Amino acid sequence: EVHLEESGGGLVQPGGSLRLSCAASGFNFGTYWMSWVRQAPGKGLEWVANINEAGFQKYYADSVKGRFTISRDNADNSLDLHMNSLRAEDTAVYYCARDLRGKDHWGQGTQVTVSS
Amino acid sequence: IVLTQFPATLSLSPGERATLSCRASQNIDNYLAWYQHKPGQAPRLLISDAFNRATGIPARFSGRGSGTDFTLTISSLEPEDFAFYYCQHRYNWPQAFGQGTKVEL
Repeated sequence: EVHLEESGGGLVQPGGSLRLSCAASGFNFGTYWMSWVRQAPGKGLEWVANINEAGFQKYYADSVKGRFTISRDNADNSLDLHMNSLRAEDTAVYYCARDLRGKDHWGQGTQVTVSS
Repeated sequence: IVLTQFPATLSLSPGERATLSCRASQNIDNYLAWYQHKPGQAPRLLISDAFNRATGIPARFSGRGSGTDFTLTISSLEPEDFAFYYCQHRYNWPQAFGQGTKVEL
């Protein structure tokens, strides 16, 4: 059974940094693109970043480009999102998702709150 | 590419037909997916590539369209179908979601 579990969320001050992780199991992790998607309070889903199977192709939403970095460790079946220069508007639930022709499996999400 | 979903809210009763629309600001061929999202839960993929039902999705969910105009139809609403629905394109980078349609009782 495919399982994705996010961790690393929490409260951080504006300008601070946080690293989110996503542990994957139940599938051949290294053969799938992976995504991060977020949902701010009262808002819809927002695509954040994607990474290809080998980790060499990375794409970001304009809202996070230059501040967030997506990475993966296929030996460890893990996906990360390094977030720097955090802003209040980055407050959201962050989901990792497996990406094939759509995001077919999702984690339950981890809450990130950026506030002083 | 901007995806515009309408209506923003659809107020219906169980057993009724729901038709949700998604319009792309430019051609995206059929690179469109639909998701269902309930508060406190993970989103669920319903449809990929405009009309392919994802594994385990009931036949009452169907998608159609290509180019710029797409629809998600729920043929007969079940109580568990009241939720938010989002379209999302993967035609190019950056990917994007529509702003969502709430299907409410």
